[in-house]
Amino acid sequence: AQTVTQSQPEMSVQEAETVTLSCTYDTSESNYYLFWYKQPPSRQMILVIRQEAYKQQNATENRFSVNFQKAAKSFSLKISDSQLGDTAMYFCAFIDYGQNFVFGPGTRLSVLP
Amino acid sequence: KAGVTQTPRYLIKTRGQQVTLSCSPISGHRSVSWYQQTPGQGLQFLFEYFSETQRNKGNFPGRFSGRQFSNSRSEMNVSTLELGDSALYLCASSFSRGETQYFGPGTRLLVL
Repeated sequence: AQTVTQSQPEMSVQEAETVTLSCTYDTSESNYYLFWYKQPPSRQMILVIRQEAYKQQNATENRFSVNFQKAAKSFSLKISDSQLGDTAMYFCAFIDYGQNFVFGPGTRLSVLP
Repeated sequence: KAGVTQTPRYLIKTRGQQVTLSCSPISGHRSVSWYQQTPGQGLQFLFEYFSETQRNKGNFPGRFSGRQFSNSRSEMNVSTLELGDSALYLCASSFSRGETQYFGPGTRLLVL
């Protein structure tokens, strides 16, 4: 079975600092997609960033970037210049074509002023 | 484009009742998935519909069912509600299977 693990249930970071959230996954597939989703308190889940497994280049979206290590099955999210609005639950997710989305348990990130 | 919409946003039911939740996907999206989110269990996959057919189902009892209409709108039904069914039910749509999912705001169900 495919699984996604997020080993940090909670993290905090000072405003303007950088934080890295960890994610590991387990699959026997070679082609798949990885995602980071953000769920602010009492607000909608939104996509932060997406990575295709066949691409060696790490995805970036403004202050958000990933460190994708395919051999290690690791997919960490780096948030630079953290802002108060980054406070949220962050979910790592995995899918290969035709299968269910599998979500990790989430990391609760608090950005402190 | 309008995002994924879910109705109602909040529901209070009592044990034994049944409930129907609705999800309208982003225009052009044909895949709709449903998830149950609780503090203890996190996000759990319920089922996925594509072109009016259920393609995948999570590990939930038969009291949980769903359907998809020709316009891709989807409904999920929970019969004989139990206290443990209290949760946030999220709907997500994607253009096709295996693609990025976009989430709705959820329906918060409280079973008393």
